[in-house]
Amino acid sequence: AQTVTQSQPEMSVQEAETVTLSCTYDTSESNYYLFWYKQPPSRQMILVIRQEAYKQQNATENRFSVNFQKAAKSFSLKISDSQLGDTAMYFCAFMKARSYNTDKLIFGTGTRLQVFP
Amino acid sequence: GAGVSQSPSNKVTEKGKDVELRCDPISGHTALYWYRQRLGQGLEFLIYFQGNSAPDKSGLPSDRFSAERTGESVSTLTIQRTQQEDSAVYLCASSSEPIVSYEQYFGPGTRLTVT
Repeated sequence: AQTVTQSQPEMSVQEAETVTLSCTYDTSESNYYLFWYKQPPSRQMILVIRQEAYKQQNATENRFSVNFQKAAKSFSLKISDSQLGDTAMYFCAFMKARSYNTDKLIFGTGTRLQVFP
Repeated sequence: GAGVSQSPSNKVTEKGKDVELRCDPISGHTALYWYRQRLGQGLEFLIYFQGNSAPDKSGLPSDRFSAERTGESVSTLTIQRTQQEDSAVYLCASSSEPIVSYEQYFGPGTRLTVT
């Protein structure tokens, strides 16, 4: 079975600074996807960034980037130039790769990020 | 286009009553997922529908929980004889075929409170 661990229940950062959220996972699968989702107080889950396990290059989306270490089973999220709107719960998630179908997401327990002015 | 919608947004029910939660996926999406999010926790998988395949019910916590999906459209999650531990936000997500995208798009959720 797959598990996802987020060891930082809460983090805070000052506006314009950089913060890194940690995530580790455990799996015996060789091909899979990893995601970071953001959940603001509105409850809406928003995909921040995704990474295919077969790709060595770390994914980047504007101010968001990941450090994917496949051997260490680590998938951290770096937020640069933090903005007040980044305040939210952040969830790391794992999904097995299947040939013809998608699969369920396995989530970590989340990290609550507070950005201070 | 329209995203995933869920109704009701909030539901308060008395212990022992049955409830039905509805999810309307994005048109054309073949896969539909239900997740549960207890207060302050991550999302737990409940059930997954993929096209005409038998649903993956491996996450349902008890036989009080069931779900149906009509073709590739609306889905209902039913909880019978609700208990206080069923209080949570129930989130629905849909996705298209993986050759197109493996991203899951989430609805706004239904907050269920069992009193």
